[in-house]
Amino acid sequence: SQTIHQWPATLVQPVGSPLSLECTVEGTSNPNLYWYRQAAGRGLQLLFYSVGIGQISSEVPQNLSASRPQDRQFILSSKKLLLSDSGFYLCAWTQQRTGVAIEQFFGPGTRLTVL
Amino acid sequence: GENVEQHPSTLSVQEGDSAVIKCTYSDSASNYFPWYKQELGKRPQLIIDIRSNVGEKKDQRIAVTLNKTAKHFSLHITETQPEDSAVYFCAADTGRRALTFGSGTRLQVQP
Repeated sequence: SQTIHQWPATLVQPVGSPLSLECTVEGTSNPNLYWYRQAAGRGLQLLFYSVGIGQISSEVPQNLSASRPQDRQFILSSKKLLLSDSGFYLCAWTQQRTGVAIEQFFGPGTRLTVL
Repeated sequence: GENVEQHPSTLSVQEGDSAVIKCTYSDSASNYFPWYKQELGKRPQLIIDIRSNVGEKKDQRIAVTLNKTAKHFSLHITETQPEDSAVYFCAADTGRRALTFGSGTRLQVQP
């Protein structure tokens, strides 16, 4: 069966510091991968998605970036965090899609607080 | 692009009553409509989904209906229980890009 991992689970960082969040998927190959951010009490904002190694689509211009160095690894980064970057960061995956929408599953999330 | 609107934003019901959450979508090419339940501090969990070739789908106490002509779909929870209390998100997908989520409904079931 497939599982998705995220780490760290929680993180407290000062403004201006760098960020690296990691997501890995097990039990599948060539998945589509997604990064979402959820501000406190709010909905899910799609940040990035990837259909393959090195292929990143950015949905919202901001000071975050994403990379996919390996098939089942997705990394979210920032060079300098802002207070507004605080939130619950969720990684998600689907099986590779060819124009047919299929089930999407979320990782456990990383709760980031920027002080 | 796709836009999904969800109502109501909050819903309070008595235990045993039914709850209905409604969503509308804008892109007629959307063909997949999942519903997620998110408990406090947890990840969203897929609870039920429906495809555009089906009008209704049931799974025990939950059901989803889809009206393609009107471009709206609804989640129905019958015989609500306190453990149904959570935030529920609808979403729509054309299969070309990624899910587009509604803004969420906070359901509170009063014992």
